[in-house]
Amino acid sequence: GAVVSQHPSRVICKSGTSVKIECRSLDFQATTMFWYRQFPKKSLMLMATSNEGSKATYEQGVEKDKFLINHASLTLSTLTVTSAHPEDSSFYICSASGGQGRPQYFGPGTRLTVT
Amino acid sequence: GEDVEQSLFLSVREGDSSVINCTYTDSSSTYLYWYKQEPGAGLQLLTYIFSNMDMKQDQRLTVLLNKKDKHLSLRIADTQTGDSAIYFCAERLDAGNNRKLIWGLGTSLAVNP
Repeated sequence: GAVVSQHPSRVICKSGTSVKIECRSLDFQATTMFWYRQFPKKSLMLMATSNEGSKATYEQGVEKDKFLINHASLTLSTLTVTSAHPEDSSFYICSASGGQGRPQYFGPGTRLTVT
Repeated sequence: GEDVEQSLFLSVREGDSSVINCTYTDSSSTYLYWYKQEPGAGLQLLTYIFSNMDMKQDQRLTVLLNKKDKHLSLRIADTQTGDSAIYFCAERLDAGNNRKLIWGLGTSLAVNP
């Protein structure tokens, strides 16, 4: 149980285009989903927290107009990187939690490369 | 402040025990987690411990928590080459309806045959 999927696993896009990454909880309802970014040989950086049906809470320094997050259902959250630039290239990981007292389960990550 | 520290590297021989240590600064953490990340992959939850527990054992994994010293450790018994990965320690902080994890930088475990 507690499987989280992400799609796509890898994406290459051109500078200036937008990319959407999906995060799904496959066998549980995720009241809260988290989006992280991981730089090479670095820890995870929390970008935002989203609760189903409400606006995401962004961490300091993360541009909400650039990284659009939608958590429309209890099993799906999306992250859209708008007007991508090469410095947005990174490994993006989502996680999902079924509620209070429950741990976060992570997706396999999406490798974004912006050329 | 919120900070989690881990040593960056650990090297052990196959069959030995590995002990990965973690210290944290915020005493209000509710849960503490160990995650494993294999190269090019996402994170896998290994185990977690509630902050009012001292120890948790799950097969080859033993988690020890010293809340007074804010010290958490993960012991892997009979370490195998497949255990080679980066291990992240994280503490969960709850503030009202907000929950967030504070992460260490990860300990890279190398298991030598």
